[in-house]
Amino acid sequence: QSALTQPASVSGSPGQSITISCTGTSSDVGTYNLVSWYQQHPGKAPKLMIYEGSKRPSGVSNRFSGSKSGNTASLTISGLQAEDEADYYCCSYAGSREVFGGGTKLTVL
Amino acid sequence: QITLKESGPTLVKPTQTLTLTCTFSGFSLSTSGVGVGWIRQPPGKALEWLALIYWDDDKRYSPSLKSRLTITKDTSKNQVVLTMTNMDPVDTATYYCAHRLWGPGGDCYSYDYWGQGTLVTVSS
Repeated sequence: QSALTQPASVSGSPGQSITISCTGTSSDVGTYNLVSWYQQHPGKAPKLMIYEGSKRPSGVSNRFSGSKSGNTASLTISGLQAEDEADYYCCSYAGSREVFGGGTKLTVL
Repeated sequence: QITLKESGPTLVKPTQTLTLTCTFSGFSLSTSGVGVGWIRQPPGKALEWLALIYWDDDKRYSPSLKSRLTITKDTSKNQVVLTMTNMDPVDTATYYCAHRLWGPGGDCYSYDYWGQGTLVTVSS
């Protein structure tokens, strides 16, 4: 079972919006709307940002949003801030197992 | 307040068995709708899901590692234990345990609280 495919890196300037894609297959992302997104700063544990495709946990900024089309899920961050610079990972349920993406490094220019 | 903390050896030799303990507080694994998972991350690499155990002792494993993994719980001690047999240098990673998010509709298939992680190095 392969990892979900994410771009290795994305970048944007403060105030801009960026989107990170997460491409899976009909066995995971395409079948289940159960993608979660995690933010990880260097040396820190991951933090849940989005679950069930588009829901935000309490305390997560509404600048973060999630969506899905076909086999691809997306995380959009609007109004980029310096503190958003981090690694981002998607994760999908795949029927009794879970699979993570390869991770995307977000650089805020 | 939910907290989790991983503990175990920092160094294991190839072919040895790794035993990691996740000690948690703020919830009970005897309560319906609770789960604890294990995820690892090799240095500089991506997260990898390993295993999950629910309050009812339902267990899930990564298919690629299933033959080497065992996850158990001790509700009296508020602990979850992960064992991994036949360790190899490629298993060098930070191992995290995490609390399963559960909502009104049931399992939210995500992890809302994570431990700080414990780095395990496999080397002779």
